[in-house]
Amino acid sequence: QKEVEQDPGPLSVPEGAIVSLNCTYSNSAFQYFMWYRQYSRKGPELLMYTYSSGNKEDGRFTAQVDKSSKYISLFIRDSQPSDSATYLCASSPLSGGQNFVFGPGTRLSVLP
Amino acid sequence: DAGITQSPRHKVTETGTPVTLRCHQTENHRYMYWYRQDPGHGLRLIHYSYGVKDTDKGEVSDGYSVSRSKTEDFLLTLESATSSQTSVYFCAISGPTSDNEQFFGPGTRLTVL
Repeated sequence: QKEVEQDPGPLSVPEGAIVSLNCTYSNSAFQYFMWYRQYSRKGPELLMYTYSSGNKEDGRFTAQVDKSSKYISLFIRDSQPSDSATYLCASSPLSGGQNFVFGPGTRLSVLP
Repeated sequence: DAGITQSPRHKVTETGTPVTLRCHQTENHRYMYWYRQDPGHGLRLIHYSYGVKDTDKGEVSDGYSVSRSKTEDFLLTLESATSSQTSVYFCAISGPTSDNEQFFGPGTRLTVL
């Protein structure tokens, strides 16, 4: 079992829809959580960084962590075609980039 | 791209040849990382550096070596390239305010024939 799992998609939604992207993790010690967006043939771009449980909001993006179920979510409101990308989640038990475990990513397509 | 460049951006090489990839940053960040990205596997850490001449292994370090002689440069060397090392390689940096916030370069697409 991989430590961080994501449905690879592709997930297709119409423009304006609310998108829900999800990850599950197996290590109960994970307490740092990240979401990255990666456009085709580009490097990943940090979207959200959360520590422990709870919600964090940044514009149209909301990250949610439920440690009791080991579930991480990213919600995108009013989705735009420019949101079409692959979304990677990552988790770590310790501080420091060298400790992060990345999921394989979910490919999202927002149709105009 | 947070002041990170990678060179070359594309490379095709033959099995058994040595290959060196370069990562250059203009941010003066302490931590630098090399990852590979393969379909179905996500990003996997190869090696990382926490200062000049200070490096450590990641999850998939076999067949790779690194060097950091200057803060701004982090080199990844494939001593004798194999077809299993065909991948997209990303460099990342983190710091100074948080070691958890990584910023990635544009990637190098390597094909080993």
